[in-house]
Amino acid sequence: DTEVTQTPKHLVMGMTNKKSLKCEQHMGHRAMYWYKQKAKKPPELMFVYSYEKLSINESVPSRFSPECPNSSLLNLHLHALQPEDSALYLCASSQGTSGSLYEQYFGPGTRLTVT
Amino acid sequence: GDSVTQMEGPVTLSEEAFLTINCTYTATGYPSLFWYVQYPGEGLQLLLKATKADDKGSNKGFEATYRKETTSFHLEKGSVQVSDSAVYFCARYLTGGGNKLTFGTGTQLKVEL
Repeated sequence: DTEVTQTPKHLVMGMTNKKSLKCEQHMGHRAMYWYKQKAKKPPELMFVYSYEKLSINESVPSRFSPECPNSSLLNLHLHALQPEDSALYLCASSQGTSGSLYEQYFGPGTRLTVT
Repeated sequence: GDSVTQMEGPVTLSEEAFLTINCTYTATGYPSLFWYVQYPGEGLQLLLKATKADDKGSNKGFEATYRKETTSFHLEKGSVQVSDSAVYFCARYLTGGGNKLTFGTGTQLKVEL
């Protein structure tokens, strides 16, 4: 099973709302990632968790707050977003993060619209 | 810096035509190379990979060969189908780089009957 699941599939939120995106994998992977993808662009890395610890934060604004409750789950908490934050948010996972090649497996994404 | 360059799209082909999507990368170290595919409204799927020079990755009729001398990893398919219509991303990964993928800009493929 090489599946990464994400919920919700679509989300519409106002600029004062607080919402969360969820990601889950049951492949025993120890690294999980959040990417942001704008239309007709490649994914941009936001955060990397390795063994449930944040290892990379690509200078993402604090209105995005990641959380890794356990090795299978990854959340992205959203607060006071701007319309320009509207995008497809992709979660990915891999066996590990360094020392050798670890393929990343992507979820289907959450389509976020900020109004 | 590290970069991946893909040919501009969209590429429009008739069904059963031959496909080539060009990809070149900057050669710092010995990266691993990938092709990902994104169908409309979906996430990215790993299509194929190659980890060292002269490796050929293949899957679902698609192939790409890791060419160190030309720093290229061009995607090819002998006979495309309408169902192959998607955006294709070339990506490189360098061991020890925190498992950060560097993506190309993506190439949209449209296959018509």
